[in-house]
Amino acid sequence: EVQLLESGGGLVQPGGSLRLSCAASGFMFSSYAMTWVRQAPGKGLEWVSGISNSGGSTYYADSVKGRFTISRDNSKNTLSLQMNSLRAGDTAVYYCAKDRWGHSSSCDSWGQGTLVTVSS
Amino acid sequence: DIQMTQSPSSLSASVGDRVTITCRASQGISNYLAWYQQKPGKVPNLLIYGAYTLQSGVPSRFSGSGSGTDFTLTISSLQPEDVATYYCQRYNSAPFTFGPGTKVDIK
Repeated sequence: EVQLLESGGGLVQPGGSLRLSCAASGFMFSSYAMTWVRQAPGKGLEWVSGISNSGGSTYYADSVKGRFTISRDNSKNTLSLQMNSLRAGDTAVYYCAKDRWGHSSSCDSWGQGTLVTVSS
Repeated sequence: DIQMTQSPSSLSASVGDRVTITCRASQGISNYLAWYQQKPGKVPNLLIYGAYTLQSGVPSRFSGSGSGTDFTLTISSLQPEDVATYYCQRYNSAPFTFGPGTKVDIK
């Protein structure tokens, strides 16, 4: 069974940094692309960032480009999202999701999410 | 960037009704289109990928169609457990934008 467990969320001041992690199990992590999607309170889904199975290709939404960095450690089955220069608009539940194959595509498994709150 | 729109933004239908949701891309995306269901308080669930391929385990009352810029998600016979918000997502090229969502409830 695919399991994705996010961690690292919390309250951070504007301009601050946070690092999210996603521990994956139940599948061959190194074979699949991974994605971060966020959802602001009461709002819709927003695609944030994606990374290929090897980590060689990364993609970002314009809203986070230059501030967020996605990475993965295939030896530890872990996906990460380094978030810098955080703004109030980054407040959301952040979901880690598994893509259907090695390059970014649709997501067939999702974690439960971790809440990031950016506020002074 | 390619923008995604959905219509309607919300709908109310009776149990057993046929429900159709439309998703439109501002440029052609071939069939790189997925549909997700998000029930209240739950995480999203993949229903359809490749515009019309049903994800394993998804009831057959869900179907998808379309190619290029115009796509539809159809629920052939609405059930109480289908109350949810439905999102389309393109994945032809980054950024892999979601549509704004369509909220479906029971009349």
